[in-house]
Amino acid sequence: EIVLTQSPATLSLSPGERATLSCGASQSVSDNYVAWYQQKPGLAPRLLIYDASTRATGIPDRFSGSGSGTDFTLTISRLEPEDFAVYYCQQYGDSLWTFGHGTKVEIK
Amino acid sequence: QVQLVESGGGLVKPGGSLRLSCAASGFTFNNYYMTWIRQIPGKGLECLSYISSSGTYTIYADSVKGRFTISRDNAKKSLYLQMNSLRADDTAMYYCARVGNVYKVGWFDPWGQGTLVTVSS
Repeated sequence: EIVLTQSPATLSLSPGERATLSCGASQSVSDNYVAWYQQKPGLAPRLLIYDASTRATGIPDRFSGSGSGTDFTLTISRLEPEDFAVYYCQQYGDSLWTFGHGTKVEIK
Repeated sequence: QVQLVESGGGLVKPGGSLRLSCAASGFTFNNYYMTWIRQIPGKGLECLSYISSSGTYTIYADSVKGRFTISRDNAKKSLYLQMNSLRADDTAMYYCARVGNVYKVGWFDPWGQGTLVTVSS
C-alpha cells in the first residue's frame, strides 16, 4: 500500500496569499497518478486535479498541480475566501487507492 | 446532470449488517468503474472498495476485506455495498463516487452526498 503524507497539517494564510500544499508518497506513484480534492464542512469532497496536473472541469486556474515520482504539490496562486477548506491528495498508481490525511487551509 | 444519491445508512448494532445503495443518473453507468469511500467524522478519507464497469473485477481495503461486498446492477444504474459483521470503528459517512472517465480509472468525480452509518449498541 502506498502511504501518502501531507504537509503541513494546517496552513494559516490570508486571502490573496499563495498556498503551497505538499503530498509525499512512500514509494513512486506510477505514471504520476495523483489527484487532489477540496472538502468544505458538511460537504462531500470535490475533485480539483487529476493525473498530477490536469485541472478538473470548472476548476479555476488559480489551482495548479505539479510533481512526479514521490513528491507532489498543489498550489493555489491567490487565495479567495471560498478556498479555505481541507485538501486531500489521493494516488491511483497502485491497485489499492489511498488518500493522504489532509491539509487544512485556514484564515490567518 | 451527473448525480449520485446514496441511501441505506442508519443505526446498527455491533455484529449487524447493512446494505448501502447508490443510485446514478445523468451518465452511462455501465461505462464507469465505481467506488465506495468512507470518512470517520472529523477524520480523513478511506477508499474501501471499487468495482469494474462490468462488475467482474473488485478490490477491497484490508480493513473491510471479508466483511464488505461491493456489487452493481447496470440495468438499474445502481451500486451497492453489503456490510456484515459491523464494528464500532465502521461508524462513518459513506460516499459513493464515479471513477475516472471512460478511458482511464483512478480519480473520483463526482461524489454523492453521503449516507451516515452508526454502529452502536
